[in-house]
Amino acid sequence: DQQVKQNSPSLSVQEGRISILNCDYTNSMFDYFLWYKKYPAEGPTFLISISSIKDKNEDGRFTVFLNKSAKHLSLHIVPSQPGDSAVYFCAAKYMKTSYDKVIFGPGTSLSVIP
Amino acid sequence: KAGVTQTPRYLIKTRGQQVTLSCSPISGHRSVSWYQQTPGQGLQFLFEYFSETQRNKGNFPGRFSGRQFSNSRSEMNVSTLELGDSALYLCASSPDSRLFTDTQYFGPGTRLTVL
Repeated sequence: DQQVKQNSPSLSVQEGRISILNCDYTNSMFDYFLWYKKYPAEGPTFLISISSIKDKNEDGRFTVFLNKSAKHLSLHIVPSQPGDSAVYFCAAKYMKTSYDKVIFGPGTSLSVIP
Repeated sequence: KAGVTQTPRYLIKTRGQQVTLSCSPISGHRSVSWYQQTPGQGLQFLFEYFSETQRNKGNFPGRFSGRQFSNSRSEMNVSTLELGDSALYLCASSPDSRLFTDTQYFGPGTRLTVL
C-alpha cells in the first residue's frame, strides 16, 4: 500500500513557465513533508520542506503548498529552467514513539524544454 | 565537508551470490539509512542505523541485513541474490533522523545488477 503517491510519472514544461508537481498521501499522521530532486547517476538532494502546521513554504523559485484536508501537496517551480530537469520525489515523515522514518513517493520526471 | 560516499558504484553479481555495499556518512552524522530504488517504485526504505544499532526497519526479507560501525560507517549485505534485487541502493546520512526537521543527505548510490 503506497502511502505517498505521485500520480504523474512525467511532466514536460516550457522554459520560463510554471511547473507544478503533485503529491498525495494517505496517512493523516504524517506531519512533515519534503521534496527531493534527483539527477541521473547522483543521489537525491533536498529541495524544500513544509511542516503540517503550515500551508505554504517558499524558497526562491520553489514553493510548496500543503492542503491537509485533501492530503495533498504540490511543488511549484517558477520560472522553470532547463537545469530543473530531473526526477522529483515527494516524501513524508511522522514521529512515532519508537521510531520515525521517511516515506518516499515513486517520483515525477520533469523535463523543461528550452 | 565531504559528502556521503558509497562503494562500489557499480556491481554485477549472479543469482545466489551475496554482496556487501559500503557507505561512509558525512562527518558527524550518526544516522545512516538505506534505500532501494527501482523504476516505478521510488525509494523503498530498507533500514536505519544510529549509534551502531538498527533503529528502524522496512518491509524487506531477512536476506537484507546491515550494520554500523563505531565511526558511523555502514554496510549492507544481501545474501542469496535474486534477479529482482537489481536496483540502485542509496545510502543517506543525517545528524539524527529523529529530529523533526532533520533532512537526509544521499550518496550517489551503488548500482547492483543481478544476472
